[in-house]
Order: sequence, then C-alpha cells, then structure tokens
Amino acid sequence: SSELTQDPAVSVALGQTVRITCQGDSLRSYYASWYQQKPGQAPILVIYGKNNRPSGIPDRFSGSRSGNTASLTITGAQAEDEADYYCNSRDNSVNHHVLFGGGTKLTVL
Amino acid sequence: EVQVVESGGGLVKPGGSLRLSCAASGFSFSSYSMNWVRQAPGKGLEWVSSISSSSNYIYHADSVKGRFTISRDNAKNSLYLQMNSLRVEDTAVYYCARELAAVGTELDVWGQGTTVIVSS
Repeated sequence: SSELTQDPAVSVALGQTVRITCQGDSLRSYYASWYQQKPGQAPILVIYGKNNRPSGIPDRFSGSRSGNTASLTITGAQAEDEADYYCNSRDNSVNHHVLFGGGTKLTVL
Repeated sequence: EVQVVESGGGLVKPGGSLRLSCAASGFSFSSYSMNWVRQAPGKGLEWVSSISSSSNYIYHADSVKGRFTISRDNAKNSLYLQMNSLRVEDTAVYYCARELAAVGTELDVWGQGTTVIVSS
C-alpha cells in the first residue's frame, strides 16, 4: 500500500507562520484531511478538502495541495496550537483503504 | 450534541477476544459511514476499519483482516468492532469516528477512545 510522510517535528515562534507538510502518491488523487491532537485527547478535524474548516476551527488554519504534497499552514501560531498534527487521505493503491501520516509534533516557542 | 462514545476496552490475553462498542447520538447515525482508528502507546494514528451507512461496504486494514470484524446496528445507533485472535501489537486506544464524506476521508466526530491492552 501507499504511505503518507510527515516531518516528525516542527517548531515555530509565537505569532509566526508555520507550514506542516504531508507527502504521498495518494495526494495526487485525493485531498488530505488534517487533524490536531493534544496529549490525552482525541484528534480534532481542522482542515479537509481543498481548504475547508469545520465549524469552530480558527481561520489561522488553512490547507493547500501541490502535486503529491499537502500542506497545513498556521498563520500567527498561538500557544494553544502546540500539538501533534496528522494528515490522512484515501489509499490510491488499495481501494477504499485509509492512510494516516506518521504525525508532526508542533512546538510553539 | 453530536457525539460518539466508545466502550468495551480492557485487558485481554494474547489470542483472546474483545468486542468494542460505539454509541452515537445527536445525528442521523444511519446516514454516515463510520470508522475505527487506533493509536498504540506513544505512536501515531492507524486506520483499522470502515463500514458504509447501510453496511454494504466493509473494509479492514491488512493488519487486522481476518481477525477483526466491523459491524453496525442502525436501529440502536451503534457501531461495533469484534476483535479475535488478539496480539500484543493490537494494544492501543481505539477510536470510533464519523466519516463526513464531504470530499474524501475526513473524520469529523471522534469519541474519547477505549483502551485495549493485550498482555499475558
């Protein structure tokens, strides 16, 4: 099956902009969704589709895609954005299966 | 309030069985595909299984195929995961998640998870 690759860790200064990326062949065919997970909590959907935010997600979160890479951008990162971030998409090599990236630990300095 | 609540986790010996349940409320359960996603201690998220709204389509990850079975009862607003032949590597928090199906695989409602520990 395919896989989605994320950088294990990224850091950003408070109030600055950070981009978290997710690479994989499946992303040429399918949009990625992005999830935020804080310690001891369930994941929360923050971005899906071309660039859609569920109700309640701040507009500093945005998504994009180019080729086989999807990106989650946080513009003006806040202390509360420190969390693990996961991407997911359909697996284009195994019909209807779902892939998750390995996750990126975001530290806000 | 839209929510899903998992139950049924616990400690089981290798080779044993366990049945997880997920109770949905606050939305039209029968209209949504549902998924199980797990997370081993200190690890990332791993998709386990999915089932369509009317149970016509069922998919399992290769790591659990032949051992786990997903099912649902729309009359009871409930999702299940029957886990047989459990292995130590199945130890994880198991999440039930609703599939929004707006564009792709977005999972927009998650429970708090139920913990499964497989150990002798």
